Amino acid sequence: GENVEQHPSTLSVQEGDSAVIKCTYSDSASNYFPWYKQELGKGPQLIIDIRSNVGEKKDQRIAVTLNKTAKHFSLHITETQPEDSAVYFCAASRGDSNYQLIWGAGTKLIIKP
Amino acid sequence: EPEVTQTPSHQVTQMGQEVILRCVPISNHLYFYWYRQILGQKVEFLVSFYNNEISEKSEIFDDQFSVERPDGSNFTLKIRSTKLEDSAMYFCASRPGLASDTQYFGPGTRLTVL
Repeated sequence: GENVEQHPSTLSVQEGDSAVIKCTYSDSASNYFPWYKQELGKGPQLIIDIRSNVGEKKDQRIAVTLNKTAKHFSLHITETQPEDSAVYFCAASRGDSNYQLIWGAGTKLIIKP
Repeated sequence: EPEVTQTPSHQVTQMGQEVILRCVPISNHLYFYWYRQILGQKVEFLVSFYNNEISEKSEIFDDQFSVERPDGSNFTLKIRSTKLEDSAMYFCASRPGLASDTQYFGPGTRLTVL
């Protein structure tokens, strides 16, 4: 079945450095790719998303890139801050569905002061 | 800013009991979803709901599960006879409509089945 792989499972970076989280998806019909941030005890919060007709999208310190041919998409966070520490999930829409999301396993991002 | 709310935040129940998890989606949203997250595992899709009926469901969503929108504001997930393996965080989400892809998630209900 459809699957989303996410790496790394844990990422520790120095405050101020950049963080990159990568995902691959299997369903070539997927056309919507959101990234969610989940803080302890809270539900996932959308931080950025991208559709398949766009290769890159940026929102301040956060950017997402999509390579449809390779079925890869990545989250880039620049100038990391302590409040960026959280679990980040990538997801891909199931191509034939009404935006049912298939999720990656999550990346625990730790920002070291 | 409007947000999805869920109650209760934590539900403890005995195996075999029925539970109802409640969600209030964002007003004027048209699509509603339930997901679950077993501790340490991926978030998994359960069901989507549109126009007062289920539009999609996963293999997890068997006959023990049902959803309802009883009064135009609440969206509920019922588990008829809970099993130990139903212990998980259950997230409700809503989406404005076809013009928007974004699903907005609630804070979740932690269900513990003993």
